[in-house]
Amino acid sequence: GAGVSQSPSNKVTEKGKDVELRCDPISGHTALYWYRQSLGQGLEFLIYFQGNSAPDKSGLPSDRFSAERTGGSVSTLTIQRTQQEDSAVYLCASSLVPDRVPETQYFGPGTRLLVL
Amino acid sequence: DAKTTQPPSMDCAEGRAANLPCNHSTISGNEYVYWYRQIHSQGPQYIIHGLKNNETNEMASLIITEDRKSSTLILPHATLRDTAVYYCIVRVRNNNAGNMLTFGGGTRLMVKP
Repeated sequence: GAGVSQSPSNKVTEKGKDVELRCDPISGHTALYWYRQSLGQGLEFLIYFQGNSAPDKSGLPSDRFSAERTGGSVSTLTIQRTQQEDSAVYLCASSLVPDRVPETQYFGPGTRLLVL
Repeated sequence: DAKTTQPPSMDCAEGRAANLPCNHSTISGNEYVYWYRQIHSQGPQYIIHGLKNNETNEMASLIITEDRKSSTLILPHATLRDTAVYYCIVRVRNNNAGNMLTFGGGTRLMVKP
């Protein structure tokens, strides 16, 4: 596609429910990143994929968070037993070759998650 | 990655050039200067990057000083849709930790009619 797409664009859920967020990177991009951004705050790194593997999961805030990527393309971020502090905008970015200079990350529009 | 300093806010008249400064006095030789912006309620948008030469693309121009300690992003004819927070970041070459992005406070540019 022309850019990174994410779905849903908005998600409202009740505390304790599970949610799945989807990211479709730019076709051919090998690296994929998940970030989150709370209201008025900067980017918080969550996880990075190179192909289907995730060499860096250091940013996942708890074991309720998991992510996978299949076929080197689509990625899903799953949050189990959501809490109110999980409310944020979840952003996905992709890049062509992460270890090539310069690497440029292109972002999707984000998924706005609200946990009631 | 080197730290950057930007003014917290700026105003610009519609149709005029917007010049956004960034200080990165501790930049090292293998670090690039990148600019992103974030329009309200949207994901960050890549604008431009450079190493030491001035760069221009369809969105903006990037002027980097000879000593590389500062740079200026120029939007030649600002429009109302350019109202956004602009982030200047410095990124090291071949960061094996996955090249995660970190945004500082940025400059909130308000383009006024």
